[in-house]
Amino acid sequence: RKEVEQDPGPFNVPEGATVAFNCTYSNSASQSFFWYRQDCRKEPKLLMSVYSSGNEDGRFTAQLNRASQYISLLIRDSKLSDSATYLCVVTSLVNAGNMLTFGGGTRLMVKP
Amino acid sequence: NAGVMQNPRHLVRRRGQEARLRCSPMKGHSHVYWYRQLPEEGLKFMVYLQKENIIDESGMPKERFSAEFPKEGPSILRIQQVVRGDSAAYFCASSPQGGGNTEAFFGQGTRLTVV
Repeated sequence: RKEVEQDPGPFNVPEGATVAFNCTYSNSASQSFFWYRQDCRKEPKLLMSVYSSGNEDGRFTAQLNRASQYISLLIRDSKLSDSATYLCVVTSLVNAGNMLTFGGGTRLMVKP
Repeated sequence: NAGVMQNPRHLVRRRGQEARLRCSPMKGHSHVYWYRQLPEEGLKFMVYLQKENIIDESGMPKERFSAEFPKEGPSILRIQQVVRGDSAAYFCASSPQGGGNTEAFFGQGTRLTVV
């Protein structure tokens, strides 16, 4: 079983739609959680951190469920520019360091 | 405040040559991660380093690959005797410390092509 799992998609949605991605992780000792966005052939960029209480940034809402070990990302009112791959990232302590583990990514395509 | 700097951005090597990829972390960051991404695939962890210390190299192939992060200067990912299958994008990320709620920031990557 992979440490961090995501549905690879692609999710094809029309502009204005609401779309949700889930991500599950296997290490119950995981500490921090993030969503990154990666555009084609570019580096991943931090989209948002994910907190237990849930957090919102404009059209984006992230949720964490520690009991069930999953993280979600909700995008409302999708824009064409939201088309990208969304990466779930989980961190855990290792040898006093901070290991980042990436999911395989979920590809989103927003169409006019 | 410069971000994570990787160079070269593009590197072409013939089979059997050596490839050296450099990563300068953000100012104040002492942790560096290297990832490899094959076309149409996800990021694969390779190695995690602190200054002068390898924390986790579980993703590094056993042969031909090595990494270092010296006290002074950039982190180096070295691939000896490259083969066609090494062609990929290699991304470096840095973070300020280990533990806690710290995100990592990525460089623009080095695209290695082996011909």
